[in-house]
Amino acid sequence: NAGVMQNPRHLVRRRGQEARLRCSPMKGHSHVYWYRQLPEEGLKFMVYLQKENIIDESGMPKERFSAEFPKEGPSILRIQQVVRGDSAAYFCASSPLEGGTPNNEQFFGPGTRLTVL
Amino acid sequence: SQQGEEDPQALSIQEGENATMNCSYKTSINNLQWYRQNSGRGLVHLILIRSNEREKHSGRLRVTLDTSKKSSSLLITASRAADTASYFCATDAQGAQKLVFGQGTRLTINP
Repeated sequence: NAGVMQNPRHLVRRRGQEARLRCSPMKGHSHVYWYRQLPEEGLKFMVYLQKENIIDESGMPKERFSAEFPKEGPSILRIQQVVRGDSAAYFCASSPLEGGTPNNEQFFGPGTRLTVL
Repeated sequence: SQQGEEDPQALSIQEGENATMNCSYKTSINNLQWYRQNSGRGLVHLILIRSNEREKHSGRLRVTLDTSKKSSSLLITASRAADTASYFCATDAQGAQKLVFGQGTRLTINP
């Protein structure tokens, strides 16, 4: 059973371009979470999605950032008009039930490291 | 501010010694989890302890939870060079699905 997959693993963008990050959850998982990690810091929650629904986007910046988890295909985190401050590692996690397994365990992907020049 | 805060921020010990890291949090929780992150890599889930548990073991790992003090500790016994990594605690506040991470402890095991 493949784990959570993210691509690309590394992404370089110039200021003003768009960044599109993809996350394929573990098989059978219908809940996806996105987190951002700045250098030397812990992960910060951005958004929680179920298939075709955004459940909690309280950690998502109000502008330029959007996320989706369509009925078919991976979850996408999109950052429009990137700025240098968007440079970070973006991690996706998935879980199989409401709040994860009965103990809310989330399984993390390897991350996408975004560098904005 | 962050829900979880790890202490110390950095820890350097000799191989074979025990390493203890602490985590404090602010609100009531369902569970507390510890993760390991090697430099530039993703997170590896180490252990989860429920709010009604006080202690849990997994191999060389021992986790304690004191809900009255809102704190947890992670003990790694007989440390190895391969244990060098950053360690994060994460909590899920009651009623919320998201995990809230601390800043992490950077552990270095010297051979």
